[in-house]
Amino acid sequence: EVQLVESGGGLVQPGGSLKLSCAASGFTFSGSAMHWVRQASGKGLEWVGRIRSKANSYATAYAASVKGRFTISRDDSKNTAYLQMNSLKTEDTAVYYCAGGPPVYYYMDVWGKGTTVTVSS
Amino acid sequence: EIVMTQSPATLSVSPGERATLSCRASQSVSSNLAWYQQKPGQAPRLLIYGASTRATGIPARFSGSGSGTEFTLTISSLQSEDFAVYYCQQYNNWPPPYTFGQGTKLEIK
Repeated sequence: EVQLVESGGGLVQPGGSLKLSCAASGFTFSGSAMHWVRQASGKGLEWVGRIRSKANSYATAYAASVKGRFTISRDDSKNTAYLQMNSLKTEDTAVYYCAGGPPVYYYMDVWGKGTTVTVSS
Repeated sequence: EIVMTQSPATLSVSPGERATLSCRASQSVSSNLAWYQQKPGQAPRLLIYGASTRATGIPARFSGSGSGTEFTLTISSLQSEDFAVYYCQQYNNWPPPYTFGQGTKLEIK
């Protein structure tokens, strides 16, 4: 079964840090581009960033709203992607989805169920 | 940044009827356009990529069309399970971000 399972969400104070994990199974993780997408309560989807495969030099790209604060990485030996979030702001509060897709065209054909991040004092 | 605009924001349609959802890009994205369906409390699900190719397991009543800046998702005969929010997303490779539209809520009339 194709599956992505996110973990690591929780409550954090403004200015704090959190690291999310995304464990993959049932598909060729190492060949896939991996994305993070977030959704604030009652709002639409916002693309956060992506990491390409080893064959594409693990290249990363980020939305302007998180650039310089968030870092995406991956460990192909563990079939896991990560989202390191630093200097968190209240506006980062959202459900964070991990999603996978083909290595070149950046649509997302596999999605996790999401993990909730709440930034509040 | 490419801005994606979906219309209408809400669409009321009766079961068995056709639904037509629109998505417009602020500049050409060629055919690099995907559609997703999201039901309450669930993750999005890929329906269409490449503007017109159905994803694996997606029923034939879902079809996509368009290129450049104008795109359409058509659901030919609405089933009860089709009432949801639909998002378009452009993934023109460079530069990012790969932006989503604001969504169209398809509700039962």
